[in-house]
Amino acid sequence: KNQVEQSPQSLIILEGKNCTLQCNYTVSPFSNLRWYKQDTGRGPVSLTIMTFSENTKSNGRYTATLDADTKQSSLHITASQLSDSASYICVVTDLTGANNLFFGTGTRLTVIP
Amino acid sequence: KAGVTQTPRYLIKTRGQQVTLSCSPISGHRSVSWYQQTPGQGLQFLFEYFSETQRNKGNFPGRFSGRQFSNSRSEMNVSTLELGDSALYLCASSLFVGGEDEQYFGPGTRLTVT
Repeated sequence: KNQVEQSPQSLIILEGKNCTLQCNYTVSPFSNLRWYKQDTGRGPVSLTIMTFSENTKSNGRYTATLDADTKQSSLHITASQLSDSASYICVVTDLTGANNLFFGTGTRLTVIP
Repeated sequence: KAGVTQTPRYLIKTRGQQVTLSCSPISGHRSVSWYQQTPGQGLQFLFEYFSETQRNKGNFPGRFSGRQFSNSRSEMNVSTLELGDSALYLCASSLFVGGEDEQYFGPGTRLTVT
């Protein structure tokens, strides 16, 4: 069964600290993996998108890594800011032709001063 | 360039009623996807439309339906509302059909069923 699991469910960190969010998936065959940031009450905003051949991609203070062999991805946030408080959602697309998207339930990050 | 817009932003309905939500994609985008988001289930795919045709459908009952117009605007309809339909309904637009392309999400419509 195609699944995407994220950990931890929630995380609280101090402003200025780094953190890493995890995403494990069983989706096969794999097409791409995306990380989204969703502020409370708003729609998700894309942070990164990686295909099978890419193992790292950065977007400012956000760096995503992908290990397609172990089917794991991580999102590393450097020097966190209060505005990083949001839910981070991992989404994996398959290659079945229907381009099905599989969503993780997200990690709720809270950055405190 | 204007982003994806959804109307209304908030809606309160009672059980048994029906509701229609609207989504206007980014200009030039021909694909519109709809998602339901609840705290317990996360984001769940409802359906995707491309060039007025439904191209993909999630695992939702027939009470959930949609359509897309020639200008790519899309509507989603839920009939015979149930309490469990309370959720944030998001639409996303992209240039092409399927998951290969970047998706841009709207702000969502918060539906509360009482």
